[in-house]
Amino acid sequence: EPEVTQTPSHQVTQMGQEVILRCVPISNHLYFYWYRQILGQKVEFLVSFYNNEISEKSEIFDDQFSVERPDGSNFTLKIRSTKLEDSAMYFCASDPFPALGNEQFFGPGTRLTVL
Amino acid sequence: AQKITQTQPGMFVQEKEAVTLDCTYDTSDQSYGLFWYKQPSSGEMIFLIYQGSYDEQNATEGRYSLNFQKARKSANLVISASQLGDSAMYFCAMRSRHQAGTALIFGKGTTLSVSS
Repeated sequence: EPEVTQTPSHQVTQMGQEVILRCVPISNHLYFYWYRQILGQKVEFLVSFYNNEISEKSEIFDDQFSVERPDGSNFTLKIRSTKLEDSAMYFCASDPFPALGNEQFFGPGTRLTVL
Repeated sequence: AQKITQTQPGMFVQEKEAVTLDCTYDTSDQSYGLFWYKQPSSGEMIFLIYQGSYDEQNATEGRYSLNFQKARKSANLVISASQLGDSAMYFCAMRSRHQAGTALIFGKGTTLSVSS
C-alpha cells in the first residue's frame, strides 16, 4: 500500500540553526501539507501546497518557514533559524485532489528537538 | 471561525466494553467533513472514519461508528468491543471548504486507556 514517508525520524539541532525536513508524498497525490504537533498538544496546520505554490498557510507559518518541491518526489519544510518553541513533531500529509471526504494520508512524522 | 472541541482529556474503559469519545464542532459552512484519527504512542496518525455533512446515515467502519447529530453539531466516535490495542490518543478533525489544499482543523484529542 502506498504511503507517505518522512526523513529523518528524529532531528536534533541547536537554536538558530537551519533545518530541512523531508517528505515523499504518495506518488499520484497532488496536494501536500505540513502540520506540527507540540508534545501532548493538538495537531496544527502549517501550510498546504499545490502546483508548486502555497495554496493556504496558517499564522504559524511565518517568514522563518518555507516549503519547496525540489523535484518530482520530495516535499520539504525548511525552518531558517530554529527557536526552542519549534520543538515538535512535524507531519507531512498528502491527498489526491480536493474533495471534502478525502482522507489525508499522514507520514510517520519527524520529531524536531531544538536545544 | 472553525473549531473542534474535545472535552474529555482522558477516558478509561475495560476490554470488550464500548466507549464514546465526544466531539463538537463549529462552522458556518453548510458543506463539511468530519474525521477521526488515532495516534498510538508510536506517533503516527491513522485515519479511522469519515462523515460528510450531507450524509444521512451515520458512518461505520468495523468496530468504529460515528454518532453524527448535525443539529447539535456533534460527531462522537463510538468504539465497540474495546481492545488493548485501542489505547491511544484520538483526534476529531474537520475540513469545510471545497478549495485546493484545504487544511484539517483538529481538536485537542482524547487519550483512551483500555485495561484488561
